Amino acid sequence: DIQMTQSPSTLSASVGDRVTITCRASQSIGGWLAWYQQRPGKAPKLLIYDASRLESGVPSRFSGSGSGTDFTLTISSLQPDDFATYYCQQFHSYSWTFGQGTKVEIK
Amino acid sequence: EVQLVESGGGLVQPGRSLRLSCAASGFTFDDYAMHWVRQAPGKGLEWVSGMSWNSDSIGYADSVKGRFTISRDNAKNSLYLQMNTLRAEDTALYYCIKAFSQSGGALAIWGQGTMVTVSS
Repeated sequence: DIQMTQSPSTLSASVGDRVTITCRASQSIGGWLAWYQQRPGKAPKLLIYDASRLESGVPSRFSGSGSGTDFTLTISSLQPDDFATYYCQQFHSYSWTFGQGTKVEIK
Repeated sequence: EVQLVESGGGLVQPGRSLRLSCAASGFTFDDYAMHWVRQAPGKGLEWVSGMSWNSDSIGYADSVKGRFTISRDNAKNSLYLQMNTLRAEDTALYYCIKAFSQSGGALAIWGQGTMVTVSS
């Protein structure tokens, strides 16, 4: 099975900061990667699909990049609503796996 | 508006069975793959199982393979998860999810989840 490793596990940042979260796959997954945001007590929400495509309705401060094994989620200017946990997820050969999550906390 | 409403969760003893259901509305159900993802209390997300629009492609996490069975009834706009031989580690909030496309892809729309607690 393909393993997904996110870093960092926790990130402390301030409103307005540029934030970057990385995700590494244990083998190449092409561009089959998505990013999700989960606020406490809520269901996850899709942010980015196919590594770099912004889901409809998601603010443009979110962006994704990468291919193969290394991927990045960037928040260009952190907003109060963005303090949450973020997960990457791969889909390959009809098997999906998530990264362990990155919690973005208020500094 | 797309809606996914899970039901069937509850408290169950180890070794017993439970069947989760997901009622879908607001979209053409048989145009999309569907999935189940779970989240143990205070833990991360774990993909459990997924099924393509026509049931031709099915996948399971290793942790549930041989114990859980996913199915769908396109006539009833419903997704199911039959969970047998339940273990304490199956305790989690189970989400029903509409995929981005017929075959799979990203997990586009999530329900609010149904809680399963496995305990004696």
